[in-house]
Amino acid sequence: RKEVEQDPGPFNVPEGATVAFNCTYSNSASQSFFWYRQDCRKEPKLLMSVYSSGNEDGRFTAQLNRASQYISLLIRDSKLSDSATYLCVVTPFSGGYNKLIFGAGTRLAVHP
Amino acid sequence: DVKVTQSSRYLVKRTGEKVFLECVQDMDHENMFWYRQDPGLGLRLIYFSYDVKMKEKGDIPEGYSVSREKKERFSLILESASTNQTSMYLCASSLGLAGADTQYFGPGTRLTVL
Repeated sequence: RKEVEQDPGPFNVPEGATVAFNCTYSNSASQSFFWYRQDCRKEPKLLMSVYSSGNEDGRFTAQLNRASQYISLLIRDSKLSDSATYLCVVTPFSGGYNKLIFGAGTRLAVHP
Repeated sequence: DVKVTQSSRYLVKRTGEKVFLECVQDMDHENMFWYRQDPGLGLRLIYFSYDVKMKEKGDIPEGYSVSREKKERFSLILESASTNQTSMYLCASSLGLAGADTQYFGPGTRLTVL
């Protein structure tokens, strides 16, 4: 079983739609959680961190459910520029080195 | 803005060749990382370094070595390239080693081994 699992998609949605991605992780001791965004043929970039209390950044909302070991990302009012692959990322330890465990990514395609 | 650069965007090598991938960061970060990214598998950590001349194995170090002689530069070496090392290689750096420290990635090197 992969440590971080995501639905690979693609999610094809029209502009203005709301879309949600889920991600599950296997290590219950995981400490930090992130969403990274990767445009086609580009490097991953941090989109947002994910906290137990949930956090929002404009049209993006991230949630963490520790009991069920899943993380979600909600994108409201999708834009064409949101088309990308979204990577769910988990760090397994509270100390030690900054090891990031990446999911394989969920591809989003927003069309006019 | 953090800038992480990699020596090549595309590289084609033959089986058995020695391959050097270079990475440079300009933000005085302590930590640097090498990943490979393959479809369906996500990014996997090959090696990382938390200080000059220091290195630690990641999840898939076999067939690779690294060198960090200067703080800003981290090299990945394929001693004898094989076709299963065809992949996208991504370098990253971070200021600290805490789980919450953001890793900044370079643009990647797409390596093809024939």
